[in-house]
Amino acid sequence: DGGITQSPKYLFRKEGQNVTLSCEQNLNHDAMYWYRQDPGQGLRLIYYSQIVNDFQKGDIAEGYSVSREKKESFPLTVTSAQKNPTAFYLCASSMNFGGGETQYFGPGTRLLVL
Amino acid sequence: AQSVTQPDIHITVSEGASLELRCNYSYGATPYLFWYVQSPGQGLQLLLKYFSGDTLVQGIKGFEAEFKRSQSSFNLRKPSVHWSDAAEYFCAAVYTNAGKSTFGDGTTLTVKP
Repeated sequence: DGGITQSPKYLFRKEGQNVTLSCEQNLNHDAMYWYRQDPGQGLRLIYYSQIVNDFQKGDIAEGYSVSREKKESFPLTVTSAQKNPTAFYLCASSMNFGGGETQYFGPGTRLLVL
Repeated sequence: AQSVTQPDIHITVSEGASLELRCNYSYGATPYLFWYVQSPGQGLQLLLKYFSGDTLVQGIKGFEAEFKRSQSSFNLRKPSVHWSDAAEYFCAAVYTNAGKSTFGDGTTLTVKP
């Protein structure tokens, strides 16, 4: 079955620690996205990638980093510079970037700070 | 700034009753418009989308939405709600000059038996 997988489902971060969230898709999509979701708020875009080996900052990129070395993978690192990382993180992909493309979402990773 | 507004944070309806969830987008060129649904602790699933043409769009699970340019609205409707429809619903827009999706803050739907 084609789809998007995210791991782990839950992730705990200690103070000063960097953590990496995994996102993999086998839909052969060019574009991939990372969103942050906080209670009572919509999705806010962290980073997006229109094509492999390319990515751009979204609306709330500070304290996060990404890479896009393979078409199917778009990992997100939450660095120690992100002072309030507790949130639900969603990865998505679409055939192409923008326009009327449907985004397909993974099941999410919940990040908690110890 | 480009924005999407969902005026209702929480809506409660009885099972079998009709449903309408409101969505307004900021003025300007008509964006691509989407409705997604999210079950607790899960990702989002597309219900329907609008690009152009017929202003009444049919989606999955018996949902439909109507685009009204004069009101900058794209409201989601269902004639008869089922208990399994309880979830959070997000309206989203893609403005062609930005390419990125802008999401509303969501509406949580509770269904009473």
